[in-house]
Amino acid sequence: QSVLTQPPSVSGAPGQRVTISCTGSSSNIGADYDVNWYQQLPGAAPKLLIFANNGRPSGAPDRFSGSKFGTSASLTITGLQPEDEADYYCQSGWVFGGGTKLTVL
Amino acid sequence: VQLVESGGGLVQPGGSLRLSCAASGFTFSFSAMSWVRQAPGKGLEWVSVISGDGGTTYYADSVKGRFTISRDNSKNTLYVQMNSLTVADTAVYYCAQNPDQGISARRFRFDSWGHGTLVSVSS
Repeated sequence: QSVLTQPPSVSGAPGQRVTISCTGSSSNIGADYDVNWYQQLPGAAPKLLIFANNGRPSGAPDRFSGSKFGTSASLTITGLQPEDEADYYCQSGWVFGGGTKLTVL
Repeated sequence: VQLVESGGGLVQPGGSLRLSCAASGFTFSFSAMSWVRQAPGKGLEWVSVISGDGGTTYYADSVKGRFTISRDNSKNTLYVQMNSLTVADTAVYYCAQNPDQGISARRFRFDSWGHGTLVSVSS
């Protein structure tokens, strides 16, 4: 069981908005630890998608956004695309969430 | 940034293996570096980190005392020596670049990743 809790799976149709949650505690997210998000496409290495709660690295599409509140964080995808089908992981401090599989219907 | 891991393979329980990660495209000594692993069909697990100058290291509890991370800044190469391997260590091992030379748990993240190398521990 991961220290950071994510839903195992989410789904949405193309063009829809989906949100993936990441619940931590006062020992990590709630202690002013940055939350980062990674996208792992099938058969590929993970890739940094969101850093420091809501920063977007160069090249990351602007339909991806991050937020943090209290001991939780969220990744939101606005205008879902078929190529967004992947596994998504949150990370804070030394720990990762268990991962969420996004299916584009 | 390019990170290329090597050294994976099949090893028996109790055996040892050393992984390497050749880095290019950035000033290697300016970045802390990490190993992150992913067991087959499972999620990501941070394994270890080393500061840019090699003077500070941290390990996950699951590998402490068995794994040793090191780096050679003259060769732009990161290493991890893995001893007393068990079946639970079977995973793809990724080398990852951290954003700063030092290590801060609060600001810790993995900016760039290698393609990974598979370590299989089996009799």
